Amino acid sequence: DAGITQSPRHKVTETGTPVTLRCHQTENHRYMYWYRQDPGHGLRLIHYSYGVKDTDKGEVSDGYSVSRSKTEDFLLTLESATSSQTSVYFCAIHEGQQNYGYTFGSGTRLTVV
Amino acid sequence: AQKITQTQPGMFVQEKEAVTLDCTYDTSDPSYGLFWYKQPSSGEMIFLIYQGSYDQQNATEGRYSLNFQKARKSANLVISASQLGDSAMYFCAMREALNNAGNMLTFGGGTRLMVKP
Repeated sequence: DAGITQSPRHKVTETGTPVTLRCHQTENHRYMYWYRQDPGHGLRLIHYSYGVKDTDKGEVSDGYSVSRSKTEDFLLTLESATSSQTSVYFCAIHEGQQNYGYTFGSGTRLTVV
Repeated sequence: AQKITQTQPGMFVQEKEAVTLDCTYDTSDPSYGLFWYKQPSSGEMIFLIYQGSYDQQNATEGRYSLNFQKARKSANLVISASQLGDSAMYFCAMREALNNAGNMLTFGGGTRLMVKP
């Protein structure tokens, strides 16, 4: 009953290849987010979505694109992966009420070699 | 400038003792929220506690309490009676409004807590 799942959990890819990470929710939450986690930086927002086909950039969006064609799915694409994109990627969902915690997926560990 | 600052990269605490993890924040928005998350070695992010900027009382959730000092812009997490399972990374985060709609979380760099038996 996770409510939010990420796939794949681990991926190794070569520099210059495209990569797509998937976030799937069963909670029907409006808001979905992609974060990356790097040592010393905590989590930083890449892109977010506030509805189907409604997305916007976050703090570290360069080199990433997203799509949300259905409420339940939020895709993060690295068009041409670089070594600087080696990171742990977290998807999060939020219902919208201010005092609710954001629910995070289990993370995807991406290594670009 | 960092909006969320956690000045303790790592801390040790003796089992069964209390520990305070520091968090300071910066915002000009009168309406904001502060969150604490726990990240054990398995990697998942676990929501612990929330404090709204207009809340009159400090938030508490079981062994977790938030020492909210609005004038000092600090939101320290207090864990009472530490347990070995409390060993983890702890992140302070602040809810900020987004341009289009909704909110996002801005995170501090985290504090690694290690509980000694």
